Amino acid sequence: KNEVEQSPQNLTAQEGEFITINCSYSVGISALHWLQQHPGGGIVSLFMLSSGKKKHGRLIATINIQEKHSSLHITASHPRDSAVYICAVLSGTYKYIFGTGTRLKVLA
Amino acid sequence: GAVVSQHPSWVICKSGTSVKIECRSLDFQATTMFWYRQFPKQSLMLMATSNEGSKATYEQGVEKDKFLINHASLTLSTLTVTSAHPEDSSFYICSADNRQGIYEQYFGPGTRLTVT
Repeated sequence: KNEVEQSPQNLTAQEGEFITINCSYSVGISALHWLQQHPGGGIVSLFMLSSGKKKHGRLIATINIQEKHSSLHITASHPRDSAVYICAVLSGTYKYIFGTGTRLKVLA
Repeated sequence: GAVVSQHPSWVICKSGTSVKIECRSLDFQATTMFWYRQFPKQSLMLMATSNEGSKATYEQGVEKDKFLINHASLTLSTLTVTSAHPEDSSFYICSADNRQGIYEQYFGPGTRLTVT
């Protein structure tokens, strides 16, 4: 079993839908990072969380340290949100443990 | 936010040749730089951790003689794939961390290597 699990692995949504991507982890962490990777490969940092909730535009990220779970929400989804969303946790040393990613496709 | 660049963004080379990929932190001095490899539809795999002025620390299974890492300054790390083979074709991504204040790693845009 992976130390960082994401669900779903693949997600297709219609434009305008509310989207939730989940991340569960089994190790102790100091922080959790949500990343976005577009088809060209470049990675964009979305959020770094150690507690609570953060919001940026249409994106919201939450984390529950006790339950070892984080969610990334996208409100009013748009085709340009189509990408792979990766959850990465910092555990112990300055090394990330990556989830396998959620491949999101938003249809117009 | 902090910016990390990589050069080149893509490269095609012949089998047996060596390729150098640069990773630069543009507006901050990185304590550590990390090199990752990503195969299609898979997650990032850490290859090595690089600190300025010292030898890189390689992850298990990564050949240090094949993937040479040099971290000459606080803003530049290079990865050289020596004697490249088609199986080395992959997407290589670097990141740099900034341990001033809240810890965060900043990712480069990646380099797509194709070995023919």
